[in-house]
Amino acid sequence: DAKTTQPNSMESNEEEPVHLPCNHSTISGTDYIHWYRQLPSQGPEYVIHGLTSNVNNRMASLAIAEDRKSSTLILHRATLRDAAVYYCIPGSYQLTFGKGTKLSVIP
Amino acid sequence: GAVVSQHPSRVICKSGTSVKIECRSLDFQATTMFWYRQFPKQSLMLMATSNEGSKATYEQGVEKDKFLINHASLTLSTLTVTSAHPEDSSFYICSARDPDSGGPYEQYFGPGTRLTVT
Repeated sequence: DAKTTQPNSMESNEEEPVHLPCNHSTISGTDYIHWYRQLPSQGPEYVIHGLTSNVNNRMASLAIAEDRKSSTLILHRATLRDAAVYYCIPGSYQLTFGKGTKLSVIP
Repeated sequence: GAVVSQHPSRVICKSGTSVKIECRSLDFQATTMFWYRQFPKQSLMLMATSNEGSKATYEQGVEKDKFLINHASLTLSTLTVTSAHPEDSSFYICSARDPDSGGPYEQYFGPGTRLTVT
């Protein structure tokens, strides 16, 4: 499994954009890049995934570096409900969760 | 999106007893389900992969005789913690893949089951 590096924690003001970085320099050519988030005492929730091109959905955008060694999850306008631990997971069939980034949103 | 449920959401049992946790895919058929365990302030750790109609594949270090997994139908997988001990107290989470939706490897997670062994 590719090793990932994410900041332990980040803060954002409500209504501001948030950029959550992830380094995955050992990613293989066939691995997708998944992002999940987990609210306290809940199961993880799928956010977005991509392979090579940038991706957008109703929740977020995913920007993938050209060499695929890093990616950035973009929340366009953070809300209090976005406060969670965000996991960046390169992989395919199985998901290996790292420590993730705990995002705090300040009202 | 696809919904996965778990039952019970919380369970307290005495040391030495067995506990069964159910994981259901509510609106899709899941040929593959995964079981994870999460200790406080730690990340999720994959315990086993369950394929409908076949034996589960356990991760290294997970005792298959202690954590019995049955995936008897396309919508139900069960995890039984046998002879539970206090160190088995944890948050158990299942997930399922919907082969007909989203990305090829997207997983939908249940809400989790909090097990406390006294």
